[in-house]
Amino acid sequence: KAGVTQTPRYLIKTRGQQVTLSCSPISGHRSVSWYQQTPGQGLQFLFEYFSETQRNKGNFPGRFSGRQFSNSRSEMNVSTLELGDSALYLCASRASEYYEQYFGPGTRLTVT
Amino acid sequence: EDKVVQSPLSLVVHEGDTVTLNCSYEVTNFRSLLWYKQEKKAPTFLFMLTSSGIEKKSGRLSSILDKKELFSILNITATQTGDSAIYLCAVANRDDKIIFGKGTRLHILP
Repeated sequence: KAGVTQTPRYLIKTRGQQVTLSCSPISGHRSVSWYQQTPGQGLQFLFEYFSETQRNKGNFPGRFSGRQFSNSRSEMNVSTLELGDSALYLCASRASEYYEQYFGPGTRLTVT
Repeated sequence: EDKVVQSPLSLVVHEGDTVTLNCSYEVTNFRSLLWYKQEKKAPTFLFMLTSSGIEKKSGRLSSILDKKELFSILNITATQTGDSAIYLCAVANRDDKIIFGKGTRLHILP
């Protein structure tokens, strides 16, 4: 099976812009979660989508949003970018009946 | 608020040493505890523990869960430089939300 893929892998944006990241889960996985990883805060949960519905949400401002399509692919959007949004954004998928997640390689976002 | 705390945050040992990484948690209606290894990029799954007292093993790595004391340990014996990584502990709660700890950064000296 192909693994989780994320695009783009690297992105440089300026403050105030918006960005959309994409994640394709492992075939058959209906759950997709997004995480932000920074050296100081570790891996922080953004949200989880299951069958096109947001199932769980972390403690991030409304500038962070996501969606999931009928083929389970997911997108994450960040509007009005701030310098503090610079991070590695990881996407993970799992089969609905298991907790073990499979992570994509991540998108490294740099905001200048 | 649910939380997962890992210790130590950082550890440096010599090749051949044995290390023990700790993970304690406070979550609402615990479902499962998971360990991941993160090298350069994506975390990779190591173990999932659901029952107390049952050790999971994979080669030189092993892990055990204590649901009464709310913690888990990850042991690595005869460490190798390839074991250098960040080790992440995560816990799933009753809402199927998975909470990660900040990780232990392990560095193995040759």
